[in-house]
Amino acid sequence: QSALTQPASVSGSPGQSITISCTGSSSDVGGHNYVSWYQQHPGKAPKLIIYDVSNRPSGVSNRFSGSKSGNTASLTISGLQAEDEADYYCSSYVTGSTNVFGTGTKVTVL
Amino acid sequence: QVQLVESGGGVVQPGGSLRLSCVAPGFTFSAFGVHWVRQAPGKGLEWVAFLGRNPTNEYYADSVKGRFTISRDNSQNTLYLQMNTLRLEDTAVYYCAKDGKYQTFFDSWGQGTLVTVSS
Repeated sequence: QSALTQPASVSGSPGQSITISCTGSSSDVGGHNYVSWYQQHPGKAPKLIIYDVSNRPSGVSNRFSGSKSGNTASLTISGLQAEDEADYYCSSYVTGSTNVFGTGTKVTVL
Repeated sequence: QVQLVESGGGVVQPGGSLRLSCVAPGFTFSAFGVHWVRQAPGKGLEWVAFLGRNPTNEYYADSVKGRFTISRDNSQNTLYLQMNTLRLEDTAVYYCAKDGKYQTFFDSWGQGTLVTVSS
């Protein structure tokens, strides 16, 4: 169960768009449409922002969007805001009934 | 969203045991699947275990298999994580999380409870 690979950090200026990648294998990201994304502010619990690759839960800003191509999923944050500065984690269901998280990406708003 | 509240964390010596609890005030645990997820200090999230609505659906990460047991007491409306043979690398904040759908995502999280394994 190796962690999914994410860039350690991504930064952008307010109003810009940024994209975070999440790379796995055919046993996880590539094999299922069950990629989810979580936002975590310091000292807080994670919060679901995307599920099933591209679905947003009720109440989550439409500035967050998700997609997938092959073994790589992506989270795009458009119109970057100061409140988006946080850690972001992807997750995937894994064949064999386990789950795996990504290594995490720190988003900095310049 | 479902409110989840964990408890039971603390300091334990290597090789020791600890039992974590998680309650969901106002909701019935037996109605949904639940996960435990942990986060070592300054590190990323790690999935630990899942218990489905059907109690035969019980799965673990390789790192805890054979040492940790996830269970629930429906009469107490409480989820548990029994942790045995604890190791230094088990030190982490442990979160319980409600399953969104068929073990595919985590839609509600507790605030976490800190477990420190130290001699």
